[in-house]
Amino acid sequence: KAGVTQTPRYLIKTRGQQVTLSCSPISGHRSVSWYQQTPGQGLQFLFEYFSETQRNKGNFPGRFSGRQFSNSRSEMNVSTLELGDSALYLCASSLTPFDRGLSGNTIYFGEGSWLTVV
Amino acid sequence: AQKVTQAQTEISVVEKEDVTLDCVYETRDTTYYLFWYKQPPSGELVFLIRRNSFDEQNEISGRYSWNFQKSTSSFNFTITASQVVDSAVYFCALSEDAGANNLFFGTGTRLTVIP
Repeated sequence: KAGVTQTPRYLIKTRGQQVTLSCSPISGHRSVSWYQQTPGQGLQFLFEYFSETQRNKGNFPGRFSGRQFSNSRSEMNVSTLELGDSALYLCASSLTPFDRGLSGNTIYFGEGSWLTVV
Repeated sequence: AQKVTQAQTEISVVEKEDVTLDCVYETRDTTYYLFWYKQPPSGELVFLIRRNSFDEQNEISGRYSWNFQKSTSSFNFTITASQVVDSAVYFCALSEDAGANNLFFGTGTRLTVIP
């Protein structure tokens, strides 16, 4: 069973550009969430999608956006990149966010996309 | 407000020693979920365990064990007979809302196992 797949794994962008990161959840998983990891701020929640709808959003500026497609695949976009956006962006998937008590309904992460803004 | 504290920033042990990673959490909810993840240098967060707030049973999985104590709001992780492959950063995380997937992470503990 394939895990959470993120592309690209590594990318370098210039300040002011925009970037799109892609995430394919584990087969059958319908909930996708995104996290940013930096040395200074640690792991921070960006947003969560379920059934193509954003259900939760972390405390990030509007330059950070995302979407989910009907096949549960998700993309996140960062516009007008800043140096501080350099980070590891992690995608996570789970069966559904509604029944956390369900055995096996835990949250699995991908390997992440390493973004460097120069 | 929710908070997860991992006071140990870095720990070094010699191979075969036991090591305990501490995790203390704060939450106002009566129903919540606690997680431990392992992050090797590749970056992926590897799921280790999920514990519900209403299940205080401790758990053992091979060399790994977890001690959940609601009275002290702690969810500590012990590795028995550590191995070099255990070297990684370990994160404790809290999820308050059963209907949301936003995890609150601690700052992580970097474990180095010296051969």
